[in-house]
Amino acid sequence: QVQLQESGPGLVKPSETLSLTCTVSGGSVSSGSYYWSWIRQPPGKGLEWIGYIYYSGSTNYNPSLKSRVTISVDTSKNQFSLKLSSVTAADTAVYYCARDLALEHWGQGTLVTVSS
Amino acid sequence: ETTLTQSPAFMSATPGDKVNISCKASQDIDDDMNWYQQKPGEAAIFIIQEATTLVPGIPPRFSGSGYGTDFTLTINNIESEDAAYYFCLQHDNFPLTFGQGTKLEIK
Repeated sequence: QVQLQESGPGLVKPSETLSLTCTVSGGSVSSGSYYWSWIRQPPGKGLEWIGYIYYSGSTNYNPSLKSRVTISVDTSKNQFSLKLSSVTAADTAVYYCARDLALEHWGQGTLVTVSS
Repeated sequence: ETTLTQSPAFMSATPGDKVNISCKASQDIDDDMNWYQQKPGEAAIFIIQEATTLVPGIPPRFSGSGYGTDFTLTINNIESEDAAYYFCLQHDNFPLTFGQGTKLEIK
């Protein structure tokens, strides 16, 4: 059974870059023709899909965030990562990682607060 | 972008009840609709795929219906463990989009 776990700083200053990692166990990020996604949920609001990286390395981002987002994969550590630049308070959210376009497996999420 | 309008935002049920949660898409998405259950502090659980197919391991009291723009998640014979946040996802087109979610309380 594949499991995903998000990790990274819980507090980021405005204008800085948010960096999170998703560690995958029970499966490989470099095989199986899977998509690896990031999703977020601001407090009291709905879910927003951020983007994905395909096992081959190709990416697709939500146009609303595209100019600030980079998703990458580290096959040696069986992880994939999210970088979101120039953050503001509006980027405060619980960030989730998930597998495939169906989002069939999710991590528990990690709260990132943007504040000085 | 496909907007998903999910309702109700909150509902309360008694064990044994039947509940319906609706998700309406702003455009035709065929059967590319999934449903999820999430409890506080836990990973979301995938419960319905392709609008009507129960994900293996999910109790059969959960079911999904719909096609095109109107979709429904039904929970029959509600149990106390079904108290959770439920949300829908369309994966017909990008960006993937979600319904606003439904918080289900069990009395």
